[in-house]
Amino acid sequence: NAGVTQTPKFQVLKTGQSMTLQCAQDMNHEYMSWYRQDPGMGLRLIHYSVGAGITDQGEVPNGYNVSRSTTEDFPLRLLSAAPSQTSVYFCASSYADSLAKNIQYFGAGTRLSVL
Amino acid sequence: AQKVTQAQTEISVVEKEDVTLDCVYETRDTTYYLFWYKQPPSGELVFLIRRNSFDEQNEISGRYSWNFQKSTSSFNFTITASQVVDSAVYFCALSEAFKETSGSRLTFGEGTQLTVNP
Repeated sequence: NAGVTQTPKFQVLKTGQSMTLQCAQDMNHEYMSWYRQDPGMGLRLIHYSVGAGITDQGEVPNGYNVSRSTTEDFPLRLLSAAPSQTSVYFCASSYADSLAKNIQYFGAGTRLSVL
Repeated sequence: AQKVTQAQTEISVVEKEDVTLDCVYETRDTTYYLFWYKQPPSGELVFLIRRNSFDEQNEISGRYSWNFQKSTSSFNFTITASQVVDSAVYFCALSEAFKETSGSRLTFGEGTQLTVNP
């Protein structure tokens, strides 16, 4: 009953460090996405993928990289962390279906602090 | 561009009161989907409901009910007889119809912090 799993739950980085936030889902969902949540701003889309090998930018992609080599995994890479990337990051997945199955299910989130 | 507005930043009620959370949206699409998610203090995002633009029927699920009105571009959420466990941030979100090339991205409102006091 795993659903969407994100690791780590918490992370502290120094400015300039790089790291990868992991996201895995076991529901065979085609669509996966990354959002960041900042106070007073709701959730904003960073990157998304409609299937293995296909990724695209969302609303706030700068400073982040993604790849999708398998259906299950969708890691988010911070290339050179900046204090502005301090946020809570959520991964989500859903079926790529315009009718009954486009409900996005979210992981528990990763709380990232960049000092 | 799509936009979701939740004008109420914070609401505080006493247990057993009814409370309505407002959501107004903007979109040029004729086919779209509206969602409500709950974020309790533990931080996870919990899906509550999805409505599509073709179905304006209001829905009731236990103490929760939703009022979808296309004429006013609103999708309001009411909790009847609120309980302390309802305390959370509630997000309204809008999704366009799925496209092969761009999937189905969610546009979120800023959220409403609901506090239910005993």
